[in-house]
Amino acid sequence: ELKVEQNPLFLSMQEGKNYTIYCNYSTTSDRLYWYRQDPGKSLESLFVLLSNGAVKQEGRLMASLDTKARLSTLHITAAVHDLSATYFCAVDMSGGGADGLTFGKGTHLIIQP
Amino acid sequence: EAQVTQNPRYLITVTGKKLTVTCSQNMNHEYMSWYRQDPGLGLRQIYYSMNVEVTDKGDVPEGYKVSRKEKRNFPLILESPSPNQTSLYFCASWRGGYHYEQYFGPGTRLTVT
Repeated sequence: ELKVEQNPLFLSMQEGKNYTIYCNYSTTSDRLYWYRQDPGKSLESLFVLLSNGAVKQEGRLMASLDTKARLSTLHITAAVHDLSATYFCAVDMSGGGADGLTFGKGTHLIIQP
Repeated sequence: EAQVTQNPRYLITVTGKKLTVTCSQNMNHEYMSWYRQDPGLGLRQIYYSMNVEVTDKGDVPEGYKVSRKEKRNFPLILESPSPNQTSLYFCASWRGGYHYEQYFGPGTRLTVT
């Protein structure tokens, strides 16, 4: 059974600080996704990581994937309040999407002024 | 506009009263899926479909039924809802293949009393 673990599950940080969210998964996969969810809203795709060593950046967010360590990170640089949200990582085990995604429990991020 | 739609968006019902949540996508995607989201548990897959008339169980299928008679539609059926099915439900669709991205509907908040 595929397990996807995120940590921390809750993070309160100040504006301007840097921090990293970790996503570990239990079985071989070379495909990992990061999503953002605002309260009461649907999921918004942030990054699609498709190979070992993949790194993608958008604004103050940067995601990376290490398939050998079965680890992905989402790094936040100089956080701003607008980044407050819940962030999910999700793993595709089937290769091609046939089985859908397995999600972590999410990291609830609060960024305070 | 490419989108996944769900109806209703909010529903309050009573135990045992059959209900259907509809999901429709206009992107001609082969794959569709239903997830439920509960606090602290992330998203868990209920059922998924690889194409018309092809469906399979996800991680939490008990108490749910689905059908895929048309490519664009993937309704979720609760034959006899119970309070433990109170949750936020998301439908998703995707094309499949090596590089794919899941598109999520806006969500349906269901309360069973």
